[in-house]
Amino acid sequence: QLQLQESGPGLVKPSETLSLTCTVSGDSISSSSYYWGWLRQPPGKGLEWIASIYYSGSTYYNASLRSRVTISQDTSRNEFSLDLRSVAAADTAVYYCARIHSVHGYGDSFDCWGQGTLVTVSS
Amino acid sequence: QSALTQPASVSGSPGQSITISCTGTSSDVGSYNFVSWYQQHPSKAPKLMIYEDRKRPSGVSDRFSGSKSGNTASLTISGLQAEDEADYYCCAYAGSGIFYVFGTGTKVTVL
Repeated sequence: QLQLQESGPGLVKPSETLSLTCTVSGDSISSSSYYWGWLRQPPGKGLEWIASIYYSGSTYYNASLRSRVTISQDTSRNEFSLDLRSVAAADTAVYYCARIHSVHGYGDSFDCWGQGTLVTVSS
Repeated sequence: QSALTQPASVSGSPGQSITISCTGTSSDVGSYNFVSWYQQHPSKAPKLMIYEDRKRPSGVSDRFSGSKSGNTASLTISGLQAEDEADYYCCAYAGSGIFYVFGTGTKVTVL
């Protein structure tokens, strides 16, 4: 059974870097059938896609966050990670990792999600 | 890139059918057959309910159905049940550069 689990600090200071890891079990992130990605949801607000990575190592970023975000993968650990630099209070959110179903090379839907982790940006 | 437009709330009585609309543009909803819908209960992760406009993942009740016409996608819940009370989000793939645009979200209330 596929499971995704986010891990990382729950509190980050303003201007520092938010780093999260998603550990995948029940599937391989080296599969060509899927992308893997990060999304977030500020308290009481809607969902926002942040970034995705393909097994080949190709990366894709939300244009509004591109200058501050890096997504990477460690296939030996079956994990992928997110770094968000220079955080501010507006980055406070529940961060989710997810598997992205791929059809004809397009990632078309987020078909399995981690439980999410709340990250608060505060001094 | 603006969020897709959804009604803030929709309600219905048990057994009724409701429809949630999701309006975008020719660059997102109208461009690809890649609209998906997510159900989110309070403090829970979203769950995929519909993908590729109208396909249902294994295990999702056939009371949920998706459709699309032009730049507007719709999610219909038939035979409304108490457990359907949740927030629902649409999402559209918008091509390289933008990639994914989410809807504003709709709160479904079962009266």
